[in-house]
Amino acid sequence: SQKIEQNSEALNIQEGKTATLTCNYTNYSPAYLQWYRQDPGRGPVFLLLIRENEKEKRKERLKVTFDTTLKQSLFHITASQPADSATYLCALRSGNTPLVFGKGTRLSVIA
Amino acid sequence: GAVVSQHPSRVICKSGTSVKIECRSLDFQATTMFWYRQFPKQSLMLMATSNEGSKATYEQGVEKDKFLINHASLTLSTLTVTSAHPEDSSFYICSARGLAGVTYNEQFFGPGTRLTVL
Repeated sequence: SQKIEQNSEALNIQEGKTATLTCNYTNYSPAYLQWYRQDPGRGPVFLLLIRENEKEKRKERLKVTFDTTLKQSLFHITASQPADSATYLCALRSGNTPLVFGKGTRLSVIA
Repeated sequence: GAVVSQHPSRVICKSGTSVKIECRSLDFQATTMFWYRQFPKQSLMLMATSNEGSKATYEQGVEKDKFLINHASLTLSTLTVTSAHPEDSSFYICSARGLAGVTYNEQFFGPGTRLTVL
């Protein structure tokens, strides 16, 4: 069956460091991979989308990589700040299908 | 980015009553809307997909007679939880997708509705 795994349930890092979150998937051939941020009691907020034929995408302090051979995406936040503390969700989609989500990684940036 | 609103943000009801949740796309036409449910510390689980003007498609294990979905216009979808029970207590989140471009690719989410059934 299809599976999306975000390896760490929680990740603590020091302010100013780079946070790296991992998303692995099996039995899936996504056309799009997306990363969302979710704060407690709120809906997910879109951050970045990367297509299957793209290796890397950047937006300000965020960087996403997508390796369809390894079936893995890495999500980086550089120069992390306490305000980056949230749960980050990886989601996959093939064509017109709905997004399927991983469980998320709760990031805590410590000042 | 495109904006999706949900109303109410929080509702508490007695067991056996019905609750309606509204989802609106404020600045784009949503040809497809999705309803998700999220339990504490769990992932978002898709409940159903609805296309404007047609019947919703429900995921396996989701009772269509209990969770009524109406997508009557390109900017509004409603989810009605009928005869709610305490086990229906959860965080319900809608999502909207447009026909093309950014609103098609990026799938925008509402702020969620916290339902508590006593």
